[in-house]
Amino acid sequence: AQTVTQSQPEMSVQEAETVTLSCTYDTSESNYYLFWYKQPPSRQMILVIRQEAYKQQNATENRFSVNFQKAAKSFSLKISDSQLGDTAMYFCAFTRTYKYIFGTGTRLKVLA
Amino acid sequence: DVKVTQSSRYLVKRTGEKVFLECVQDMDHENMFWYRQDPGLGLRLIYFSYDVKMKEKGDIPEGYSVSREKKERFSLILESASTNQTSMYLCASRPPGLPLRDFGPGTRLLVL
Repeated sequence: AQTVTQSQPEMSVQEAETVTLSCTYDTSESNYYLFWYKQPPSRQMILVIRQEAYKQQNATENRFSVNFQKAAKSFSLKISDSQLGDTAMYFCAFTRTYKYIFGTGTRLKVLA
Repeated sequence: DVKVTQSSRYLVKRTGEKVFLECVQDMDHENMFWYRQDPGLGLRLIYFSYDVKMKEKGDIPEGYSVSREKKERFSLILESASTNQTSMYLCASRPPGLPLRDFGPGTRLLVL
């Protein structure tokens, strides 16, 4: 069975600094998709970034980028130039079909 | 933009009550999902519907049922609410084959 592990329950970062959130997963499949979601205090879940396993190039969306290491089954999220609005719960997720497996989340607080 | 709405943001019910959580999406998405979110456990799939009147059990279907009589509406039913069903419930929808990105605002349910 696939699993997704986020080992950092809470993190904090100073405004304008860079922070990296970790995610590891376990699967025997070769084709799959990985995602990072953000859930701010409003509770509205937002898709931040996605990565297709068959693509070697790391995905980037503005200040958000990933470090995808397929052999190590690692998928970390880097947030550059952190902003107060980045304060949220971040979830890593894995899918091959309709079923998304979510990690337990990392609560990120951006400090002014 | 797709809008996914949930009937209540907060709900308080008594043990043994029958509870209906309603989810409506306005973009003709075939796939709809109900997740349960608990601290330290992330999001767990309760039920998935891939089309009208079609459903599949997720990882934690016990104590829940669903109804999808119309494409835009996906209802989660707690036949006899119990205290261990106190949680945040998230609904989501998507067209088949596309990333899961459209979530409702969540219903925080308290069962006393």
